[in-house]
Amino acid sequence: DVKVTQSSRYLVKRTGEKVFLECVQDMDHENMFWYRQDPGLGLRLIYFSYDVKMKEKGDIPEGYSVSREKKERFSLILESASTNQTSMYLCASRDRGVSGNTIYFGEGSWLTVV
Amino acid sequence: AQSVTQLGSHVSVSEGALVLLRCNYSSSVPPYLFWYVQYPNQGLQLLLKYTTGATLVKGINGFEAEFKKSETSFHLTKPSAHMSDAAEYFCAVSEGHDYKLSFGAGTTVTVRA
Repeated sequence: DVKVTQSSRYLVKRTGEKVFLECVQDMDHENMFWYRQDPGLGLRLIYFSYDVKMKEKGDIPEGYSVSREKKERFSLILESASTNQTSMYLCASRDRGVSGNTIYFGEGSWLTVV
Repeated sequence: AQSVTQLGSHVSVSEGALVLLRCNYSSSVPPYLFWYVQYPNQGLQLLLKYTTGATLVKGINGFEAEFKKSETSFHLTKPSAHMSDAAEYFCAVSEGHDYKLSFGAGTTVTVRA
């Protein structure tokens, strides 16, 4: 089974702090994603990486950056956390091969910024 | 550009009744289409997907969906609802490998005993 692991399930951070959300996948997938999920808005794409060291902005990249130095790990960085970044963050990965473009999700990280 | 619209943010059905969740998409190329389910405090789980071929797709837990190109729709159905179907359901579209996956706003399903 594909496993996408998000290192922290629940975090509470202060306004202005730098926050790192880590995601690791164990299936050698090329593509990885970070989404945030808010009630009534569904999942919105923050950043997308289609391979190591490659990244593309999603629909809402402002206030975020990402790092993909190794294929299995994709980090989301909040440079200076703000209260409007309180949300559920979901990491996902996808391979290019025979699985038919299926995306696999982690369990999510609940971030509260106070 | 691709986008997804899910009609109805909440759906309430009686146990044993038909479940119908509506999804319309826009895409500039033949799309890949997905339905995901999310149970409380969990990540998203794939229910079913359409990539190519047969337009009626069967998934897990008795769900199925039909791709209708002329209507740009991918509605999800289950003939008989079970209490365990109570969850949030998301429709999603992608234009292929190395392209992003865009989600609808989600539909919350409640099942009445």
